Amino acid sequence: EVQLLESGGGLVQPGGSLRLSCAASGFAFSNYAMSWVRQTPGTGLEWVSAISRSGDTTYYVDSVKGRFTISRDNSKSTLYLQMNSLRAEDTATYYCTDGSGTYTAFDIWGQGTMVTVSS
Amino acid sequence: EIVLTQSPGTLSLSPGERVTLSCRASQSVSSSYLAWYQQKPGQAPRLLIFGASSRATGIPDRFSGSGSGTDFTLTISRVEPEDVAMYYCQQYGSSPQTFGQGTKVEIK
Repeated sequence: EVQLLESGGGLVQPGGSLRLSCAASGFAFSNYAMSWVRQTPGTGLEWVSAISRSGDTTYYVDSVKGRFTISRDNSKSTLYLQMNSLRAEDTATYYCTDGSGTYTAFDIWGQGTMVTVSS
Repeated sequence: EIVLTQSPGTLSLSPGERVTLSCRASQSVSSSYLAWYQQKPGQAPRLLIFGASSRATGIPDRFSGSGSGTDFTLTISRVEPEDVAMYYCQQYGSSPQTFGQGTKVEIK
């Protein structure tokens, strides 16, 4: 069964850090670019970051550039999102998905992990 | 960035009715790189349509997509109670790829 399983969400204070993980199974993870997409009640769905199959190319939405870092470990079939200098507006459910979001739609989604940035 | 505007905001229908959801882009969507997603409460989005009109694997044929350029449509030919959900369009031909704000489908 094709599956993505996120973990690492939680409550963090403004300015804090959090690392999200996404464990993939049931498909050839190393053959896919991967992305993080977040969702808030107010702003809806927003693509956050993407990484190439090899991990040597990364992309970010402007609002997280310099604060978030996407990475992957193909030997562990795992995707990561290191989030630093967190802000209240980063509060969202974070989903990992397949694809880079450019020329490919998102076919595989995890169940999401909730991140709350609040004092 | 391309802004996608979905309409209407909410639809309330009876089972068996035909429903049409609209997605309008602020500029032309490259090569019909337009997708539709269904999201039920408490669940992740699910891909329904890609390339404006191609159904994703396992999607019932009562769901269909059409359109090009700046105007796109998702049609549910005969709505069923299990179709209660939010529906989002997404363009993925121009960076950054963007989502519409969603249309809520309710059953009377």
